[in-house]
Amino acid sequence: RKEVEQDPGPFNVPEGATVAFNCTYSNSASQSFFWYRQDCRKEPKLLMSVYSSGNEDGRFTAQLNRASQYISLLIRDSKLSDSATYLCVVNKQGGSYIPTFGRGTSLIVHP
Amino acid sequence: DADVTQTPRNRITKTGKRIMLECSQTKGHDRMYWYRQDPGLGLRLIYYSFDVKDINKGEISDGYSVSRQAQAKFSLSLESAIPNQTALYFCATMGQDYEQYFGPGTRLTVT
Repeated sequence: RKEVEQDPGPFNVPEGATVAFNCTYSNSASQSFFWYRQDCRKEPKLLMSVYSSGNEDGRFTAQLNRASQYISLLIRDSKLSDSATYLCVVNKQGGSYIPTFGRGTSLIVHP
Repeated sequence: DADVTQTPRNRITKTGKRIMLECSQTKGHDRMYWYRQDPGLGLRLIYYSFDVKDINKGEISDGYSVSRQAQAKFSLSLESAIPNQTALYFCATMGQDYEQYFGPGTRLTVT
């Protein structure tokens, strides 16, 4: 089992839709969790950290479920500009300086 | 100005040539990383450094070497390039909350 797994998609949704991605991780000792956004052939950029209590930033909501070992990203009211690949990143306890990246989930938002 | 810069941005080289990719950062971060990204494989860690005197191998260090010349500079070398090292290379730093900041990437083609 991969350490961090994501559905590669693509998720193809119309503008205005709500879309959710999940990411599962295998190491129960994982401590830090993030979502990054990567546009085609560009560098990944931090979208949001994921906190135990969940967190929201505008149209984006991230949740952590430690019992089931997954994190989620919910995007409401999708915009064309949300089209990108979303990378899940997990840092292990004691190795928080070594992130493990998922392979990414591709989102395509169409008019 | 960008906080993490990489040079060159694009490079085409021939098999057997030595090539150096350079990374500079103005964020004042101690922790720096080199990744490569191949289609469908996600980001893979090549080397990382937690300070000027600390160099560590990542999961795919064979065929690569690094030099941490200063806190702000971290270079990646391919001693004798081979075609399967054709990839997109990213340098990154890590902040105090374990979030990463990536350079714009170097697209390397080995013919």
